[in-house]
Amino acid sequence: DAMVIQNPRYQVTQFGKPVTLSCSQTLNHNVMYWYQQKSSQAPKLLFHYYDKDFNNEADTPDNFQSRRPNTSFCFLDIRSPGLGDAAMYLCATSRGREQETQYFGPGTRLLVL
Amino acid sequence: DQQVKQNSPSLSVQEGRISILNCDYTNSMFDYFLWYKKYPAEGPTFLISISSIKDKNEDGRFTVFLNKSAKHLSLHIVPSQPGDSAVYFCAASDYTSGTYKYIFGTGTRLKVLA
Repeated sequence: DAMVIQNPRYQVTQFGKPVTLSCSQTLNHNVMYWYQQKSSQAPKLLFHYYDKDFNNEADTPDNFQSRRPNTSFCFLDIRSPGLGDAAMYLCATSRGREQETQYFGPGTRLLVL
Repeated sequence: DQQVKQNSPSLSVQEGRISILNCDYTNSMFDYFLWYKKYPAEGPTFLISISSIKDKNEDGRFTVFLNKSAKHLSLHIVPSQPGDSAVYFCAASDYTSGTYKYIFGTGTRLKVLA
């Protein structure tokens, strides 16, 4: 089955210790997104890639970076995690950037100690 | 400031009855809306969408209604089934930054009682 996969499902890191979250897709979609969702809040878009074209949301902290080495994979790097970065991180894909359905992975829950 | 609001964090409905989930938005430029359903330990999955040129879209037991003048949309599930118990997110398509993105609400947890 074509799908969006996120690894790991749970990640524990220490305050200030860099961490990388991974997303892969077998849908061959052009666009990949990273969302942050804190408890009882709406998923919030951090950035997205249209192919290799990176698009950062204006309010995404500099602490968050992303890499997309190929169509299938996208990584979220948090350079110096703070306690406030503890959240669920959702990866999503879509065929294009128009009003298209986004397909989500199961998410990675990040805990910062 | 929340541009897409789901004011009811939770809703309980008896099996077989109608579930009505509500969503309000503030930006009259939003022209495409979606509903996603999320089960525990899974990512949100697309349920149904509606364009602003319509006021209703139906797919089986699920119907979305759009009232543009009130900036309000609702999702009706008839009849509700226990398997419909999940968190439902409303989302609106925003093009104001020059690229499409979805603005999500905070979700409504639906519990369908057997």
